[in-house]
Amino acid sequence: EAQVTQNPRYLITVTGKKLTVTCSQNMNHEYMSWYRQDPGLGLRQIYYSMNVEVTDKGDVPEGYKVSRKEKRNFPLILESPSPNQTSLYFCASSLWGGSNEKLFFGSGTQLSVL
Amino acid sequence: AQSVTQPDIHITVSEGASLELRCNYSYGATPYLFWYVQSPGQGLQLLLKYFSGDTLVQGIKGFEAEFKRSQSSFNLRKPSVHWSDAAEYFCAVARGDTGFQKLVFGTGTRLLVSP
Repeated sequence: EAQVTQNPRYLITVTGKKLTVTCSQNMNHEYMSWYRQDPGLGLRQIYYSMNVEVTDKGDVPEGYKVSRKEKRNFPLILESPSPNQTSLYFCASSLWGGSNEKLFFGSGTQLSVL
Repeated sequence: AQSVTQPDIHITVSEGASLELRCNYSYGATPYLFWYVQSPGQGLQLLLKYFSGDTLVQGIKGFEAEFKRSQSSFNLRKPSVHWSDAAEYFCAVARGDTGFQKLVFGTGTRLLVSP
């Protein structure tokens, strides 16, 4: 089954404790992206990647890192989480990220930073 | 810069009634527009998209949307709502300044369906 898998679904952590949210897709998609969803703000893009070793900042990249060492995986790293990073995070992928491609979304990761 | 406005935060519709969700965009050139739906506890799913051609586009689950350049709108419609349509709906526009690699989402409209 074609899917985007995020782990974990729920995560509670404390300020400053490094964490990684994993994202994996099994569709051989070139394009992957991370979004955060906050009430009243919709989805905002954090980082995206057009292919292996090619990443770029979205609209809200501060406090986040990403890497794309393999085509299928695109982990989101919070090296020193802060409470304002409490949010619902979504990973998405598409075949190549062009204008005629739809995004496939994971089920989300609810992160709480205390 | 491209932006998307969804003026309605919540909408309540009776089951079987028609639905229209509003979306206005701000973009200088021909926009690439999308509607996504998010069911509770789930990721987003594409309902439909518009790039060019016929301004009335059909999507999945009986939804359609009409692109109106003169009004900078891309409203989503459904003639008869089902209880399973209760969800949050997001309009989005692809950012041409990034080679369409980025999407800008609206803030969403939550649809409630009453019996």
